[in-house]
Amino acid sequence: GQNIDQPTEMTATEGAIVQINCTYQTSGFNGLFWYQQHAGEAPTFLSYNVLDGLEEKGRFSSFLSRSKGYSYLLLKELQMKDSASYLCAPYSGGYQKVTFGIGTKLQVIP
Amino acid sequence: EPEVTQTPSHQVTQMGQEVILRCVPISNHLYFYWYRQILGQKVEFLVSFYNNEISEKSEIFDDQFSVERPDGSNFTLKIRSTKLEDSAMYFCASSTSGGVADEQFFGPGTRLTVL
Repeated sequence: GQNIDQPTEMTATEGAIVQINCTYQTSGFNGLFWYQQHAGEAPTFLSYNVLDGLEEKGRFSSFLSRSKGYSYLLLKELQMKDSASYLCAPYSGGYQKVTFGIGTKLQVIP
Repeated sequence: EPEVTQTPSHQVTQMGQEVILRCVPISNHLYFYWYRQILGQKVEFLVSFYNNEISEKSEIFDDQFSVERPDGSNFTLKIRSTKLEDSAMYFCASSTSGGVADEQFFGPGTRLTVL
């Protein structure tokens, strides 16, 4: 089975940096996705980490430590539109079954 | 930019009725998925589909559920006899490949309400 743990809610200020942590336990592990989901909308892909380390993509970066079962999503220069839920999703292989956590609801305030 | 589309955006049905949710995946994608999200809960995998066959399904995907690709473009999810607890947002997704991790593109979802 899979167990995914991330904070349920976070608040950060516009222009600031926020780090959303995720720990996971899976029976198999190939990599980890981060998705963004605005309220009432579909998840959209942010990143996929396979190897340990930090991957940067614009204002968003994602880090993975396979040995620790740990990942984080780093959002820089926060904008109001970044208010959304951020879903940590380990991928255990096979036909791409993505297992989502409950997500972290981020609120960006002025 | 190509996108996954879903119809209807909102479906209201009576308990015990059959519903069919429709999806048009991105045209060159080969792998198709259905997920659901009960209000306030996490997105849950239902089923993956490739080469006209179910590749993997979750415990949620019981005999009341079926999927079909009736033609070259549509991908449908049928619920034979809906229950109150089937009320959720249903997302269709597609990807170019399934053998290695690949970005899954999600449709906007169909909100199913069972009364």
